Amino acid sequence: AQSVTQPDIHITVSEGASLELRCNYSYGATPYLFWYVQSPGQGLQLLLKYFSGDTLVQGIKGFEAEFKRSQSSFNLRKPSVHWSDAAEYFCAVGAKTSGTYKYIFGTGTRLKVLA
Amino acid sequence: SAVISQKPSRDICQRGTSLTIQCQVDSQVTMMFWYRQQPGQSLTLIATANQGSEATYESGFVIDKFPISRPNLTFSTLTVSNMSPEDSSIYLCSVAGVETQYFGPGTRLLVL
Repeated sequence: AQSVTQPDIHITVSEGASLELRCNYSYGATPYLFWYVQSPGQGLQLLLKYFSGDTLVQGIKGFEAEFKRSQSSFNLRKPSVHWSDAAEYFCAVGAKTSGTYKYIFGTGTRLKVLA
Repeated sequence: SAVISQKPSRDICQRGTSLTIQCQVDSQVTMMFWYRQQPGQSLTLIATANQGSEATYESGFVIDKFPISRPNLTFSTLTVSNMSPEDSSIYLCSVAGVETQYFGPGTRLLVL
């Protein structure tokens, strides 16, 4: 069965520090992979996605993610975190089930940024 | 990208009552999804709603509790029936775009 694991429930970093949020997936074929961000009281915003091709994908707000098939991972990174990045981050996999795509979400990582 | 609106944005309801949440999209879409996000939790898919057919419910969700309508390609409703405090959640509408998914702002529901 398809699944997504985000091992870190909470992460705290200082403003200006680098950030890496971990995501591991389980899926039989090459998955569609996504990172979403949810700011307090807001809906989900797509940060970036991977389908094929270059395994390093660039997203909005200075985020990037790297697909590593051998590790079944799709970790999100940012070289320098801003206070406005404090939010909840969700990794998701798009899996084809019975002819339709469904999106399976990880449990999320809540990011706190220290001034 | 698709622009999705939901009504109401939030509500406080009494136990045993029902609430209907509306989802409006600014373009025609085939597939719409309804998710629940319980406090501090991730998103759980409730059902997939295709226009012209009955919604397909995920394990643990039933039509009697969460009836869904999909009258056209830009609109859908989700009803939370006979509510209990355990139904307090954010309910999100979503549509399938080109190889991605777009989400509405959500409806925050508190059941007393």
